Amino acid sequence: QQQVKQSPQSLIVQKGGISIINCAYENTAFDYFPWYQQFPGKGPALLIAIRPDVSEKKEGRFTISFNKSAKQFSLHIMDSQPGDSATYFCAASSLDTGRRALTFGSGTRLQVQP
Amino acid sequence: EADIYQTPRYLVIGTGKKITLECSQTMGHDKMYWYQQDPGMELHLIHYSYGVNSTEKGDLSSESTVSRIRTEHFPLTLESARPSHTSQYLCASSESGQLYEQYFGPGTRLTVT
Repeated sequence: QQQVKQSPQSLIVQKGGISIINCAYENTAFDYFPWYQQFPGKGPALLIAIRPDVSEKKEGRFTISFNKSAKQFSLHIMDSQPGDSATYFCAASSLDTGRRALTFGSGTRLQVQP
Repeated sequence: EADIYQTPRYLVIGTGKKITLECSQTMGHDKMYWYQQDPGMELHLIHYSYGVNSTEKGDLSSESTVSRIRTEHFPLTLESARPSHTSQYLCASSESGQLYEQYFGPGTRLTVT
């Protein structure tokens, strides 16, 4: 049972372009939505996160857009750079479970071509 | 910069062997987690701990076991490794309360032959 669905599975973008990765969730109890970035041979690292009380959060070139009614959220990478080439995971968690573990999407491999 | 460590980074071992994957963090975090990462990338929670002497199973059934005798240490053990255990194992930790960020270690890539 996949509670967080992520698309696309892979993405190729030209340098300077916009990368967009989408996620949809089912559990309305989710109240925290982070995005993680993972480089080969490394563990995931938090990139940016959002709570459902706001519709957008921006940090530098990275923006999360959140649509609570549609149960969808997306990551936009503006002015994509070759150094952004990595695997990106959306995730969600709920305080209800008490444990605050993350439910991950299936990941998107982003390749930014020079 | 997160201070969470995993050893070994890579392990190739034969079927039937007992193995322990080590995870340590120096941030004093109460919560710790083990995730299994498929070859196709998706991460699944297999164990978590609220604190010392507190461990629970995660969403994905696993034959591994964990212990939490010290706050900073959260080892994972497989009593008898099988080829189906071949995977990447990621350890993570987070503070209690309202701060939700999880810090991940670099992972252990396990291959059982």
